[in-house]
Amino acid sequence: DVKVTQSSRYLVKRTGEKVFLECVQDMDHENMFWYRQDPGLGLRLIYFSYDVKMKEKGDIPEGYSVSREKKERFSLILESASTNQTSMYLCASSWTGTGNTIYFGEGSWLTVV
Amino acid sequence: RKEVEQDPGPFNVPEGATVAFNCTYSNSASQSFFWYRQDCRKEPKLLMSVYSSGNEDGRFTAQLNRASQYISLLIRDSKLSDSATYLCVVKVGDSGYALNFGKGTSLLVTP
Repeated sequence: DVKVTQSSRYLVKRTGEKVFLECVQDMDHENMFWYRQDPGLGLRLIYFSYDVKMKEKGDIPEGYSVSREKKERFSLILESASTNQTSMYLCASSWTGTGNTIYFGEGSWLTVV
Repeated sequence: RKEVEQDPGPFNVPEGATVAFNCTYSNSASQSFFWYRQDCRKEPKLLMSVYSSGNEDGRFTAQLNRASQYISLLIRDSKLSDSATYLCVVKVGDSGYALNFGKGTSLLVTP
């Protein structure tokens, strides 16, 4: 089975703190993603990466950055957390190719106070 | 126009009922289609891929209509455990990252 692991499941951070969310996948997937999911807004893509050290902005990259130094690991960084970044963050990974779908981690619930 | 649209519901059905959801997509270059299931406060999980010829997995049947640009999911003999949100996912091309998600359809199966 594909395993996407998000190390932090529940976090509470203060406004202005730097926040790191880590994600590791064990299936040698080329692509990795960070989404956030909010009620009524669905899944929104923050950043994705199609190779080591490569990254592309998604729909809502403002206030976030990412790092992919190794193929299996994709980190999401909130440089200065704000209350509007309180959300559920989902990491995902996939192979390239038609028909290949995406696999999600269990999610990280971030509350910024 | 949104890339992928779903009726948010909720669909409230009794146990044993048959229920169907539709999902429309706007990009005619879409190539791959999937249904995901998401339980409350959990991650989305792949329910089934949708093939051009239609496909069935137990009580679940998925259909694709390219001409009208929609996919459907039919659930027969609904169980209480089918209560969840069902997300439609449409992939454009084969890059792996051109994925468009619907916002989901909420299903509640009642005793």
